[in-house]
Amino acid sequence: EVQLVESGGVVVQPGGSLTLSCAASGFTFDDYAMHWVRQAPGKGLEWVSLITWDGGSTYYADSVKGRFTTSRDNSKNSLYLQMNSLRPEDTALYHCAKGEVPAAPWFEYWGQGTLVTVSS
Amino acid sequence: QSVLTQPPSASGTPGQRVTISCSGSSSNIGSNYVYWFQQLPGTAPKLLIYRDNQRPSGVPDRFSGSKSGTSASLAISGLRSEDEADYYCAAWDDSLSGVVFGGGTKLTVL
Repeated sequence: EVQLVESGGVVVQPGGSLTLSCAASGFTFDDYAMHWVRQAPGKGLEWVSLITWDGGSTYYADSVKGRFTTSRDNSKNSLYLQMNSLRPEDTALYHCAKGEVPAAPWFEYWGQGTLVTVSS
Repeated sequence: QSVLTQPPSASGTPGQRVTISCSGSSSNIGSNYVYWFQQLPGTAPKLLIYRDNQRPSGVPDRFSGSKSGTSASLAISGLRSEDEADYYCAAWDDSLSGVVFGGGTKLTVL
């Protein structure tokens, strides 16, 4: 059974930094691209980033480019999102999602999310 | 302002057929597959349709997807109370080199 479990969400001050993790199990992690998708309270879904199976390529939404970095450790079946220069508008539930193919929102499996709150 | 445009709300009565539209451009829907998600309150999104019109295992055939040019639609037939949820379309955007979502449509079953 595919499982994705996010962690690391906390309350952080504007300008602060945070790293989220996503632990994957139930599939061959290094065969698949992985994505981060966020949802602000009461708002819609917003794609954040994509990392290819080997970590060789990453893609970001304009809203986070230059501030967020996605990485993965295939030996640990883990995905990460390093978030710097956080802003109140980054407050959201952050989901990791398994990408069935790289450049497409073919997200059959999602984690339940971890909540990041940016507030002073 | 979302790159893909959906109506904010839709409604229908039990048994009816409803459709939700999703409008994009040549760089997303016009050149890439469309995906649809259902999100029930307090839960993670669920994939309903992939590659324009394909249903994952377990998704009832009451749900169907279609695409024409730079627009796509999700149709739900035989509407049920449990279909009351938020629905999102998504696609890859070649110009942005990223995934774009619609703003979501809240479906109410009257």
